[in-house]
Amino acid sequence: TQLLEQSPQFLSIQEGENLTVYCNSSSVFSSLQWYRQEPGEGPVLLVTVVTGGEVKKLKRLTFQFGDARKDSSLHITAAQPGDTGLYLCAGAVTGTYKYIFGTGTRLKVLA
Amino acid sequence: GAGVSQSPSNKVTEKGKDVELRCDPISGHTALYWYRQSLGQGLEFLIYFQGNSAPDKSGLPSDRFSAERTGGSVSTLTIQRTQQEDSAVYLCASSWQGSGRYNEQFFGPGTRLTVL
Repeated sequence: TQLLEQSPQFLSIQEGENLTVYCNSSSVFSSLQWYRQEPGEGPVLLVTVVTGGEVKKLKRLTFQFGDARKDSSLHITAAQPGDTGLYLCAGAVTGTYKYIFGTGTRLKVLA
Repeated sequence: GAGVSQSPSNKVTEKGKDVELRCDPISGHTALYWYRQSLGQGLEFLIYFQGNSAPDKSGLPSDRFSAERTGGSVSTLTIQRTQQEDSAVYLCASSWQGSGRYNEQFFGPGTRLTVL
């Protein structure tokens, strides 16, 4: 069974602090996506990383795909209250249509 | 255009009753996914449709769960003889091709199912 473990599970920080969320697996994925979910809504895609070692930046968010395509990280610089939400990684299982979602990281940024 | 819509938004039912959850994907999207999310946790894959076909139903938790898609559009997830452990948010997503590589999944707001 393929699993994606995210850490930390919960994170509460002050506005302006930096943070990193990790997404780890023993399995290789053909691509990996990061989503953010707000209460009462479905997840919304932030980024897709495809190549091992790839780094993508989205304003204050930096995403990295591990060289072996088994893990990924999300780094937020100078967090803001608007960053509050549930962050989910999702790996595309090689050769299939399936996505395996991570266990989630619930972030709360305090003003 | 409209996004993915799901109905009902909330469903409360008694243990043992059957429920039907509906998903209207984005027009033109060929792939449709059903997921289950418990208490703000990660998503559990249930089933995937490419057109009207479901190549893999292995994510369905038991034979009480079934899903169909008609006309390459609307999908219905049916849970028979509901149990309390079925309580969760059921999310539907659609995407253009569903090849599992780059495709962005667009999610609906979910149906919150509560089994008493």
